[in-house]
Amino acid sequence: DVKVTQSSRYLVKRTGEKVFLECVQDMDHENMFWYRQDPGLGLRLIYFSYDVKMKEKGDIPEGYSVSREKKERFSLILESASTNQTSMYLCASRDWTGANEKLFFGSGTQLSVL
Amino acid sequence: GNSVTQMEGPVTLSEEAFLTINCTYTATGYPSLFWYVQYPGEGLQLLLKATKADDKGSNKGFEATYRKETTSFHLEKGSVQVSDSAVYFCALYSGSARQLTFGSGTQLTVLP
Repeated sequence: DVKVTQSSRYLVKRTGEKVFLECVQDMDHENMFWYRQDPGLGLRLIYFSYDVKMKEKGDIPEGYSVSREKKERFSLILESASTNQTSMYLCASRDWTGANEKLFFGSGTQLSVL
Repeated sequence: GNSVTQMEGPVTLSEEAFLTINCTYTATGYPSLFWYVQYPGEGLQLLLKATKADDKGSNKGFEATYRKETTSFHLEKGSVQVSDSAVYFCALYSGSARQLTFGSGTQLTVLP
């Protein structure tokens, strides 16, 4: 089974802190994604990456950046955390075969910014 | 642009009741359609999918039929169990967008 591992299940940070959320997948997938999940809003795409050192903005990239130095690792960075970034963050990966749109998700990181 | 609209929850049912969760979509071209499920404390996992009109996706007793004429992909199950309690997300994939678009999710609670 594909495994997508997020480094922390729960995080509590203070306003203005720099926050790193780490995600690792073990199936050599090219594509990786960061979503945030908020009640009533579903999943919204923050950033995604089609391959190492590549990154593209999703629907809500403001206040975030990402890093993909190795194929298996995709990091989400909050440069200066704010309270409106309190959310559940989900990482996902996908094996790009041109016809396989199945995403594999990690179990999420619940971030609270105080 | 692409969008997915799901019926709002939460939905509460008794065990063995019939379930329908409505999903409609707006998309250019011919999208693939999906239902993902998120059990408590876990990430999302694919429940079923359909890639063209009139296809029926099915898994674990759940079914959904790709209806192009009504742009819908409603999720159904004939007899729900307590273990089906979860959040259900409808989603579409459009080749032009190259990524999934999710609905807002529907919380289902099944009572014994």
